[in-house]
Amino acid sequence: DAKTTQPPSMDCAEGRAANLPCNHSTISGNEYVYWYRQIHSQGPQYIIHGLKNNETNEMASLIITEDRKSSTLILPHATLRDTAVYYCIVMEYGNKLVFGAGTILRVKS
Amino acid sequence: DVKVTQSSRYLVKRTGEKVFLECVQDMDHENMFWYRQDPGLGLRLIYFSYDVKMKEKGDIPEGYSVSREKKERFSLILESASTNQTSMYLCASSLGQRARVFFGSGTQLSVL
Repeated sequence: DAKTTQPPSMDCAEGRAANLPCNHSTISGNEYVYWYRQIHSQGPQYIIHGLKNNETNEMASLIITEDRKSSTLILPHATLRDTAVYYCIVMEYGNKLVFGAGTILRVKS
Repeated sequence: DVKVTQSSRYLVKRTGEKVFLECVQDMDHENMFWYRQDPGLGLRLIYFSYDVKMKEKGDIPEGYSVSREKKERFSLILESASTNQTSMYLCASSLGQRARVFFGSGTQLSVL
């Protein structure tokens, strides 16, 4: 079973920041948090991952709380092309991704 | 960028047929995975492999087998296709532990 909890859906205005929360209260000390997204009819796409420090790349920022029980994915300037299902995943042994239901993000103009 | 190529985008097969879904990656990745995705059930892991000739069962291996004779190729086999195996099948690969996982575009299989 997935070890994360995410809201089923969120809306965001185009050009604004999209903040997607994730709860992973049972995460263990050596487990990483990964974010992937899936645009309709495509395979999932890697966005970002982290252990305990905040991370930023060209796509997004990842903020992990100090107790590591939750995290937030931030898309700084959402566009219509960011409409997708976003998955927060705690990486288990062996690089296996266990997907939950994810959050449907709808970016609206 | 890494390319994970699945042999067919759409496939239609008859009940009882033996079906092969092929997946090839071009970046010398050790790890390869097969998932299926169904509405309301999400992505579920069928089989995975950490090396040539190695395979491990995922969460839903029943009715499937796999073959990995070469590092770049991971095949999913439906020995006798059934209608409940109608699904989107996604192949993925990664290099080492905790690495980025790259997905193919998927094969939509319909079993009639």
